[in-house]
Amino acid sequence: AQRVTQPEKLLSVFKGAPVELKCNYSYSGSPELFWYVQYSRQRLQLLLRHISRESIKGFTADLNKGETSFHLKKPFAQEEDSAMYYCALMTGGFKTIFGAGTRLFVKA
Amino acid sequence: DTAVSQTPKYLVTQMGNDKSIKCEQNLGHDTMYWYKQDSKKFLKIMFSYNNKELIINETVPNRFSPKSPDKAHLNLHINSLELGDSAVYFCASSQDAGFRGEQYFGPGTRLTVT
Repeated sequence: AQRVTQPEKLLSVFKGAPVELKCNYSYSGSPELFWYVQYSRQRLQLLLRHISRESIKGFTADLNKGETSFHLKKPFAQEEDSAMYYCALMTGGFKTIFGAGTRLFVKA
Repeated sequence: DTAVSQTPKYLVTQMGNDKSIKCEQNLGHDTMYWYKQDSKKFLKIMFSYNNKELIINETVPNRFSPKSPDKAHLNLHINSLELGDSAVYFCASSQDAGFRGEQYFGPGTRLTVT
């Protein structure tokens, strides 16, 4: 079965602390994985994709096929990082499966 | 210019009514989607259209009927609205039909059924 699991509904950290948002997937093929972010009162937007291997706003995510994970990390959280984060798996064709989302709250 | 727009932003209606939500994208994308986000923020795909053709139709009640008059538009019509239909509905579009297709989302339409 194709599935994306984000085990944490809410993650609360202090400003300047490291943050890791967990994402595990289940897919028999070669996965295409994304992180989307939804800031307060804004639309959902792409944060990064695994194939680009890029760092956006200080966030990185590495695909670990052995552990079927795509965790999102940032070494020093900022208050403006507070948002809803969705891990997404794009399967063959037109379908994207989203995880349940993790709300990140960065405290001052 | 807004890339993906939806109207209306808010929709409050009574059970049993029929309503439509409109979506337009000016990005020249070939593929458009409808998602439902429930009260727990869970985001689930409902439909996908590619070049006006229905590609994905998840287990959505027949009361929901998407219509794509052209590549730039994907409207969602809902018949006989039920309380459980209350949610935020997001439209999205992407350039690539398959892999590597970043999706661009609309602002969402908050539907409240009373």
